[in-house]
Amino acid sequence: DQQVKQNSPSLSVQEGRISILNCDYTNSMFDYFLWYKKYPAEGPTFLISISSIKDKNEDGRFTVFLNKSAKHLSLHIVPSQPGDSAVYFCAASALNAGGTSYGKLTFGQGTILTVHP
Amino acid sequence: DGGITQSPKYLFRKEGQNVTLSCEQNLNHDAMYWYRQDPGQGLRLIYYSQIVNDFQKGDIAEGYSVSREKKESFPLTVTSAQKNPTAFYLCASMRRAVYGYTFGSGTRLTVV
Repeated sequence: DQQVKQNSPSLSVQEGRISILNCDYTNSMFDYFLWYKKYPAEGPTFLISISSIKDKNEDGRFTVFLNKSAKHLSLHIVPSQPGDSAVYFCAASALNAGGTSYGKLTFGQGTILTVHP
Repeated sequence: DGGITQSPKYLFRKEGQNVTLSCEQNLNHDAMYWYRQDPGQGLRLIYYSQIVNDFQKGDIAEGYSVSREKKESFPLTVTSAQKNPTAFYLCASMRRAVYGYTFGSGTRLTVV
């Protein structure tokens, strides 16, 4: 049962253009969402997050949009740079569930982003 | 320099052997996690621990064991009962009220 899905295994974008990475979730208890970036043979690094009380969060070139009714979030990278080429993971958590669920993140399968010069 | 250290970076195991993957953090984080990465499957939670001497099974705990005797350390043992142990293993930690993981650099385990 895949509660967080990234249906696009890969995405190829030209340098300077917008990259849009998508993520869908099924668990309505999820109330906090994060994006991580991962290079090969390294651990993921935190990129940006959004709480379910918001529908948008921006940090420099990165913007995350959340559509709660559609259970969908997306990460926009503008403008895309070759150094953005990596695997991007969407993750979700039921932050307010508390108890032993606190801190437990459920990850999507990842999307490989390639930005061409 | 605070962070999470995983060792070794590469590990080879023979069939039927148990191996232990090390994870140490000096971030004073309360919670620690072990994930496994396989191609096309993202990161799957093996075990996690929110406080010392306490841990819970994740989604794929069978064939694995952990301990949390110290706040800084959360070793993962891959036992011979794990049928498909070849994977990339990631350890993470988190401080309560500052949400989000800090990951280690991972251990690639290969069964030979």
